Amino acid sequence: NAGVTQTPKFQVLKTGQSMTLQCAQDMNHNSMYWYRQDPGMGLRLIYYSASEGTTDKGEVPNGYNVSRLNKREFSLRLESAAPSQTSVYFCASSEVGPANGYTFGSGTRLTVV
Amino acid sequence: KNQVEQSPQSLIILEGKNCTLQCNYTVSPFSNLRWYKQDTGRGPVSLTIMTFSENTKSNGRYTATLDADTKQSSLHITASQLSDSASYICVVSAVTGANNLFFGTGTRLTVIP
Repeated sequence: NAGVTQTPKFQVLKTGQSMTLQCAQDMNHNSMYWYRQDPGMGLRLIYYSASEGTTDKGEVPNGYNVSRLNKREFSLRLESAAPSQTSVYFCASSEVGPANGYTFGSGTRLTVV
Repeated sequence: KNQVEQSPQSLIILEGKNCTLQCNYTVSPFSNLRWYKQDTGRGPVSLTIMTFSENTKSNGRYTATLDADTKQSSLHITASQLSDSASYICVVSAVTGANNLFFGTGTRLTVIP
């Protein structure tokens, strides 16, 4: 099925460990995004990539890095995980333009202990 | 400050009953408003998207309304089903700005038999 695929679905890290969250979309969308979702808060944008070869910071970029590997793939890296990064992470993609809908992946639940 | 507020935070209804969820926003300049359904452990899925000139849009048993003058939207669910149990998120897009999506915190709907 067409859509956005995220891996892994669950992950537990120790403080200070690093990891990369993977995201791939097969809809030929130009724009891709990483969000985090915390209880009682709306989704917050971490980083986005408007098109292949470009990345920009969102609302909460500290502690994260991203790579737009190609048009399909957009990864999120935590270099030194902290308990404050415990969250559910969603990748999304869309065509360029605010009127276009976003397609979200099913999420990665990350716990940092 | 661009904000999106949803009410109620949670709602429990009997199967077969109707319900209405509210969304108030202060996002400006306004581009469009979307309602998403998020099942537990899944990513948000788009239900409706409305631009400034649209005041109602339906998707099956879901009907969204928009009053751009008062900056209010509602999502009406008719003849609820157990599968409607989910969080419903209101998302407002601004015309300008790279980070131009503003998310509400969602209404958690539980439909009981």
